[in-house]
Amino acid sequence: DTAVSQTPKYLVTQMGNDKSIKCEQNLGHDTMYWYKQDSKKFLKIMFSYNNKELIINETVPNRFSPKSPDKAHLNLHINSLELGDSAVYFCASNIGGPNTGELFFGEGSRLTVL
Amino acid sequence: SQQGEEDPQALSIQEGENATMNCSYKTSINNLQWYRQNSGRGLVHLILIRSNEREKHSGRLRVTLDTSKKSSSLLITASRAADTASYFCATVNFGNEKLTFGTGTRLTIIP
Repeated sequence: DTAVSQTPKYLVTQMGNDKSIKCEQNLGHDTMYWYKQDSKKFLKIMFSYNNKELIINETVPNRFSPKSPDKAHLNLHINSLELGDSAVYFCASNIGGPNTGELFFGEGSRLTVL
Repeated sequence: SQQGEEDPQALSIQEGENATMNCSYKTSINNLQWYRQNSGRGLVHLILIRSNEREKHSGRLRVTLDTSKKSSSLLITASRAADTASYFCATVNFGNEKLTFGTGTRLTIIP
């Protein structure tokens, strides 16, 4: 009964490949996010969705495409992977946006691009 | 760019001592949040403090906010080995729906 679950937890792939990370939350939250944490532990927001609508789209290469089939799911698809995409990607959710309260994070998906 | 910077970057103390971490930010905020991240895990929310609040407590945690200095501190009293983790402050700016994280403090509690 994990609140925010991400799959896969680990992903090792070659440059140029396309990969997806899935995220599901069972908390009934309206808003979901993708964050990227680099090797220096810096966390940066990539996207947020509210009720399947894109709210925040940071300066992220268009090789990254989020998809929200319903408000409980926010998947991240990455095309033409590059070495610099290696990082830990965190999905998060909350009710109504960060002004309203805490974010609940998944355990992260560690992507390694060789 | 990061909104918040945390000080110190790393802190090692003996079990039982108090740990204080500081966070400075640049622009006016709606609220400030503290999170803990254990190694290899996701972030866990600790406390949220709003811009009109000055202090909040939760168990052994005490958070202060000084909006005139654009700074916050997190105090963990009577530290335990299980408190070993990275601690991040994060801010939500007015007119902005983003939660922006600071650089983090790596806390090590020595048994």
